[in-house]
Amino acid sequence: KAGVTQTPRYLIKTRGQQVTLSCSPISGHRSVSWYQQTPGQGLQFLFEYFSETQRNKGNFPGRFSGRQFSNSRSEMNVSTLELGDSALYLCASSLTGTGGSQNIQYFGAGTRLSVL
Amino acid sequence: EDKVVQSPLSLVVHEGDTVTLNCSYEVTNFRSLLWYKQEKKAPTFLFMLTSSGIEKKSGRLSSILDKKELFSILNITATQTGDSAVYLCAGLETAYGKLTFGQGTILTVHP
Repeated sequence: KAGVTQTPRYLIKTRGQQVTLSCSPISGHRSVSWYQQTPGQGLQFLFEYFSETQRNKGNFPGRFSGRQFSNSRSEMNVSTLELGDSALYLCASSLTGTGGSQNIQYFGAGTRLSVL
Repeated sequence: EDKVVQSPLSLVVHEGDTVTLNCSYEVTNFRSLLWYKQEKKAPTFLFMLTSSGIEKKSGRLSSILDKKELFSILNITATQTGDSAVYLCAGLETAYGKLTFGQGTILTVHP
């Protein structure tokens, strides 16, 4: 079974631009969560999607948004990029996001975003 | 605000040593505690602990949760160089999908 796939693996953007990151979950998984990882703040929760609906959101500005498609694939968008948005963006999928072993989140390799 | 604290932040040992990694948590509506190992990029799942006092084991790794003291430990016996990684613990709340991570423990195992 294929794991969580994130594309692209690396991105270089300049301040003010916008970026879209993609995440394909493990087959059969319907919950997708996104995290930002930086050396200073560690791993921080961005948001979670299930059946095309955002069910939970972390403390990030509105420039960070996402969506999920009917096939459970998810995209994350960051508009008006700032230098501080440079980070590793990880997505994780789980079966349903609720209850017991169905809550185990499996992570993709991430997208390394550099903002110049 | 939810908080997960890991200690020590870094640890250097030699092959064959036994290590204990600590994780304390304050997570609203706590459901489970998860441990991950991160080497290059993707954190890989190790354990999920939901019940207090029940040890989970996988080879040389074991972990236990104390819900009264809000604490978990991860033990690695007979360490190998391949155990060198960042070990992350995270609290899962009952609300959907949100893991609150600790800062991680950097483990370095020398031959």
